[in-house]
Amino acid sequence: DTEVTQTPKHLVMGMTNKKSLKCEQHMGHRAMYWYKQKAKKPPELMFVYSYEKLSINESVPSRFSPECPNSSLLNLHLHALQPEDSALYLCASSPGQGRTYEQYFGPGTRLTVT
Amino acid sequence: DQQVKQNSPSLSVQEGRISILNCDYTNSMFDYFLWYKKYPAEGPTFLISISSIKDKNEDGRFTVFLNKSAKHLSLHIVPSQPGDSAVYFCAATGNTGNQFYFGTGTSLTVIP
Repeated sequence: DTEVTQTPKHLVMGMTNKKSLKCEQHMGHRAMYWYKQKAKKPPELMFVYSYEKLSINESVPSRFSPECPNSSLLNLHLHALQPEDSALYLCASSPGQGRTYEQYFGPGTRLTVT
Repeated sequence: DQQVKQNSPSLSVQEGRISILNCDYTNSMFDYFLWYKKYPAEGPTFLISISSIKDKNEDGRFTVFLNKSAKHLSLHIVPSQPGDSAVYFCAATGNTGNQFYFGTGTSLTVIP
């Protein structure tokens, strides 16, 4: 199983809503990542979890709150988002121990904030 | 500050010919370089990587070349196929793999 899954595929939410994005991998990878990608732009790193601990937070606003309940799951909790937060949110995972540079991406969640 | 750059936003190639996608970087401390392929509405798919201690890595139709003195890498696809039409991102990272820097992407169209 070399798949990273993300749910939901699409999400439309209002600025006062609270929602969560979910990501799951069963490859035994020990690092997981959240990226944000706007149209025609490269993915931008948001958060990195390494061995279930938050190791990198790229100065992301607090309205985005990541959570790593276990080594296979990664959530991104959303609250009070702005229309400019509309984007494709990508989850990725990578093996630990010397192959951390290989990242495997999920299909993404297309988020629209109205 | 864009540490990884792909200066060609698009490239068109005839089927069967070679596709060459280019990437430049500024940080000499990068340890690994990667190429990803992305179809619309999908996440990037890992294609091929190269360590900074090598100058070439080959995997089937895909070959990545690294020129450290020029801080330049390229992806060669031979022969190109229509199914190769996608956006290609190069990326670079340090040895922890935690910080990835992506280029802006090159949209490749392979014409049948």
